[in-house]
Amino acid sequence: DGGITQSPKYLFRKEGQNVTLSCEQNLNHDAMYWYRQDPGQGLRLIYYSQIVNDFQKGDIAEGYSVSREKKESFPLTVTSAQKNPTAFYLCASSIYTFGGNGYTFGSGTRLTVV
Amino acid sequence: SQQGEEDPQALSIQEGENATMNCSYKTSINNLQWYRQNSGRGLVHLILIRSNEREKHSGRLRVTLDTSKKSSSLLITASRAADTASYFCATDPLGSSNTGKLIFGQGTTLQVKP
Repeated sequence: DGGITQSPKYLFRKEGQNVTLSCEQNLNHDAMYWYRQDPGQGLRLIYYSQIVNDFQKGDIAEGYSVSREKKESFPLTVTSAQKNPTAFYLCASSIYTFGGNGYTFGSGTRLTVV
Repeated sequence: SQQGEEDPQALSIQEGENATMNCSYKTSINNLQWYRQNSGRGLVHLILIRSNEREKHSGRLRVTLDTSKKSSSLLITASRAADTASYFCATDPLGSSNTGKLIFGQGTTLQVKP
């Protein structure tokens, strides 16, 4: 079965701690994205990558970092510089062709600061 | 940057009734997409309509697009309790340099009562 796997499902972070959220896809998609969702809100783009070893900042990149060393993997690190990290984090991928295609989403990671 | 605004924010109907959700956006687009999100889960792609299309159908879903008014609507006919979810519109802005980035609205929460 092809899809996107996010792990862990729940994550707790202490103040001042960096944490890494995993996102793996076996869809052979070139593009991958990280979004943040706050309660009752839409999705805001953190980072995206269209190709291995390249990624771009989204609208709210401050306090986050990513890497794209393999096509299948796009991990997100929430650093201690992110002052309000409690949120639901969603990873997505797509085959981007002219005219666009839909995203495939993972099931999300809920991050809570304790 | 929020592109789409959805209306209403919340909708409650009886099973069997039709549900209509609207989305307005600000800038010209390549395409507009609708997604469904069940509580605490990732988003699922429902339908994509391109800027040169006016109407599209998929099962019980009907999407319209009016680029002159920069608006779209999603109609779910003969709703079922299983349709209870949040629905998001997402736009692929024209001139986004083929990044595939989508901009999501804040969503409409639909409750279908049995």
